[in-house]
Amino acid sequence: DAEITQSPRHKITETGRQVTLACHQTWNHNNMFWYRQDLGHGLRLIHYSYGVQDTNKGEVSDGYSVSRSNTEDLPLTLESAASSQTSVYFCASSESRGMNIQYFGAGTRLSVL
Amino acid sequence: QKEVEQNSGPLSVPEGAIASLNCTYSDRGSQSFFWYRQYSGKSPELIMFIYSNGDKEDGRFTAQLNKASQYVSLLIRDSQPSDSATYLCAVNMMVTGGGNKLTFGTGTQLKVEL
Repeated sequence: DAEITQSPRHKITETGRQVTLACHQTWNHNNMFWYRQDLGHGLRLIHYSYGVQDTNKGEVSDGYSVSRSNTEDLPLTLESAASSQTSVYFCASSESRGMNIQYFGAGTRLSVL
Repeated sequence: QKEVEQNSGPLSVPEGAIASLNCTYSDRGSQSFFWYRQYSGKSPELIMFIYSNGDKEDGRFTAQLNKASQYVSLLIRDSQPSDSATYLCAVNMMVTGGGNKLTFGTGTQLKVEL
């Protein structure tokens, strides 16, 4: 069955370290998205991509970067982790831009100490 | 004004009752609307989507859309304890430069009591 997987599921790191969260989907979806979820803020869009070599900033992109070298993967990199980036991170994908029906991965819980 | 607003709850209903969850949005140009269910510690799971005014039914779930009033609702009939979760409303909004993004409300916590 097609799916979207995130790894690792849990990560503890120290401030200032570079961290990369992986997202891999087997639906062959063009569109992929990264969100963070925090109490009181709901899901907020970090970065998104509409296809290979395409990346776009979302509403909370500072301190994060993504790259899209193939259809299946959109890794999220925290260049220099900060305690404010402690959160739960979700990756999602969708087939078309128009309807934008998004399906989510299981999430990564990141703690920055 | 938030782009997508939901009452945070908790909304408590007895087992077997109808649960009514509401959502309002600010962008009149929005074309498609989604309801996700999220259990504690889990990822959002798509329940329904709707893009035409009126009602859309799927089993015990009915989504209702009123574009003129800019609200979308989710009705859950014959509520079960397993329906206890947070329900996220999401609105597909156009972004500058083309494309769309989902904007999420902060969610309504539903508790179905025995």
